[in-house]
Amino acid sequence: QKEVEQDPGPLSVPEGAIVSLNCTYSNSAFQYFMWYRQYSRKGPELLMYTYSSGNKEDGRFTAQVDKSSKYISLFIRDSQPSDSATYLCAIFTQGGSEKLVFGKGTKLTVNP
Amino acid sequence: EAGVAQSPRYKIIEKRQSVAFWCNPISGHATLYWYQQILGQGPKLLIQFQNNGVVDDSQLPKDRFSAERLKGVDSTLKIQPAKLEDSAVYLCASSTTGLGIAQYFGPGTRLTVL
Repeated sequence: QKEVEQDPGPLSVPEGAIVSLNCTYSNSAFQYFMWYRQYSRKGPELLMYTYSSGNKEDGRFTAQVDKSSKYISLFIRDSQPSDSATYLCAIFTQGGSEKLVFGKGTKLTVNP
Repeated sequence: EAGVAQSPRYKIIEKRQSVAFWCNPISGHATLYWYQQILGQGPKLLIQFQNNGVVDDSQLPKDRFSAERLKGVDSTLKIQPAKLEDSAVYLCASSTTGLGIAQYFGPGTRLTVL
């Protein structure tokens, strides 16, 4: 079982739609949960990160973590064509082998 | 603040040739990472440096890949000899401390091995 599973999509939505992106993880030792956005031919950029279960909001973006079911989500409200990118979930663990483990990424297209 | 710089941006080589990539991290960032991102996959950590020491190279194919960070700033990643399966984007990232939660990525070097 992979440490982080993410549906690669692709996902295509109309402008203004609410987008839901999801990942599951296997190791309960994972402590920090991140979402990166990667535009074509660019490096990933950190969107948000959270530590605990619950919701964290930043503008149109909401990150949600459910540690009991090892499930993380990113919601995008009022999606814009500029949100078209690949979204990567990533998980970081401390203690012992500290590293960032990425999902495969979900390619999102927001159509005007 | 300047971002992470990488060069070259693109490289095409034939299998069994050698290739080297260069990375200059954000000024003051002690930790530097090299990742391999194969098409359709998320980045996979190859090696992590803290200043000029190696913290984690457990996923670096050491029979053909090598990396160094001699003065704790710039870093080079080398592949010798290259195989077809090395075709990927090689990303460099840096962070301020060893807690690599917020890593800043460069644009990557896209390598094609023919």
